[in-house]
Amino acid sequence: RKEVEQDPGPFNVPEGATVAFNCTYSNSASQSFFWYRQDCRKEPKLLMSVYSSGNEDGRFTAQLNRASQYISLLIRDSKLSDSATYLCVVNRNTGRRALTFGSGTRLQVQP
Amino acid sequence: DADVTQTPRNRITKTGKRIMLECSQTKGHDRMYWYRQDPGLGLRLIYYSFDVKDINKGEISDGYSVSRQAQAKFSLSLESAIPNQTALYFCATSEGGTYNEQFFGPGTRLTVL
Repeated sequence: RKEVEQDPGPFNVPEGATVAFNCTYSNSASQSFFWYRQDCRKEPKLLMSVYSSGNEDGRFTAQLNRASQYISLLIRDSKLSDSATYLCVVNRNTGRRALTFGSGTRLQVQP
Repeated sequence: DADVTQTPRNRITKTGKRIMLECSQTKGHDRMYWYRQDPGLGLRLIYYSFDVKDINKGEISDGYSVSRQAQAKFSLSLESAIPNQTALYFCATSEGGTYNEQFFGPGTRLTVL
């Protein structure tokens, strides 16, 4: 089983739609969580960190469920510019391990 | 100018050749990382360095070596390239701590024939 699992998609949604992605992680010792965005053939960039209490940044809401070991990302009022791959990222923070990346969920917002 | 740069951006080479990928950063971060990305597999960590004297293997270090020449420079070498090392390679940097963001370079697309 992969340490971080995501539905690869693609999710094809019309402009203005609300779309949600989930990500599951296998290691209960994981301590910090992130969503990164990656445009085609470009480098990943941090979209938002995910805090235990959940957090919102404009149209984006991230939530963490430690009991079920999943993270979610909700995008409201989708824009064409939201089309990208969204990477779920987990840091076990044990020893000196760096981040573990999911393989990503591709979103295509259509006019 | 970009904060994290990688050279070359694209490279085609032949099996058995030695290849060096270079990464430089102007962010003043102590931590640097090398990842490779393959379709369907996501980003996988090759090596990381938390300061100039600290080098650590990641999950897929076999066939690779690194050198941390200075705080700002971290190079990845393929001593004898093989076709399954064809991938997109990213360098990243971060400050210390749990929640600190990683900043990625633009990537190097390597093809081994």
